[in-house]
Amino acid sequence: AQRVTQPEKLLSVFKGAPVELKCNYSYSGSPELFWYVQYSRQRLQLLLRHISRESIKGFTADLNKGETSFHLKKPFAQEEDSAMYYCALLTQSGGSNYKLTFGKGTLLTVNP
Amino acid sequence: NAGVTQTPKFQVLKTGQSMTLQCAQDMNHEYMSWYRQDPGMGLRLIHYSVGAGITDQGEVPNGYNVSRSTTEDFPLRLLSAAPSQTSVYFCASSYTRDGYNEKLFFGSGTQLSVL
Repeated sequence: AQRVTQPEKLLSVFKGAPVELKCNYSYSGSPELFWYVQYSRQRLQLLLRHISRESIKGFTADLNKGETSFHLKKPFAQEEDSAMYYCALLTQSGGSNYKLTFGKGTLLTVNP
Repeated sequence: NAGVTQTPKFQVLKTGQSMTLQCAQDMNHEYMSWYRQDPGMGLRLIHYSVGAGITDQGEVPNGYNVSRSTTEDFPLRLLSAAPSQTSVYFCASSYTRDGYNEKLFFGSGTQLSVL
């Protein structure tokens, strides 16, 4: 069965420091991975997806199939990056039958 | 363009009561889903639908029913509420293109307490 593991519940860094939020997955098929973010009092929203290889708000994530990881990185954290971050894995089981499985989330706090 | 609309925002129930959480989207998305968010558990999929008339179970379906009679609406029913169903519930929808799932759009959530 598919699984998404985010080993850190809490992560605290200082403004300007690099940040890495870890995500590991388990899936026998071809993975499609996402990072979603929930800022305080806002809706969950997509931050980035591996298939588009884009950088959003300075964040990047590289899919490493060998290590089954999709870590989220930013070289210089900002206070406005403080939020709950969820890694998610899309799996499909025939046709349009697909599910998005979320990790348990990492709460990032960026201190001034 | 309202996106994904959930009602109510807050609800308190007594054990054994039934209720329906409403979810509507105006983006013509085929895919709709319900998640519950619990501290330390992340988001867990309850039920999902890939189109009108089609629903399937997610990770934690027990105690919940869904139906999808229209593309726009995907209500979640609690038949007999239990304290274990105290949670924040999110509805989400997405569009599929070329076999790939586009990003999920989330509602603002329903905070449910079962006493």
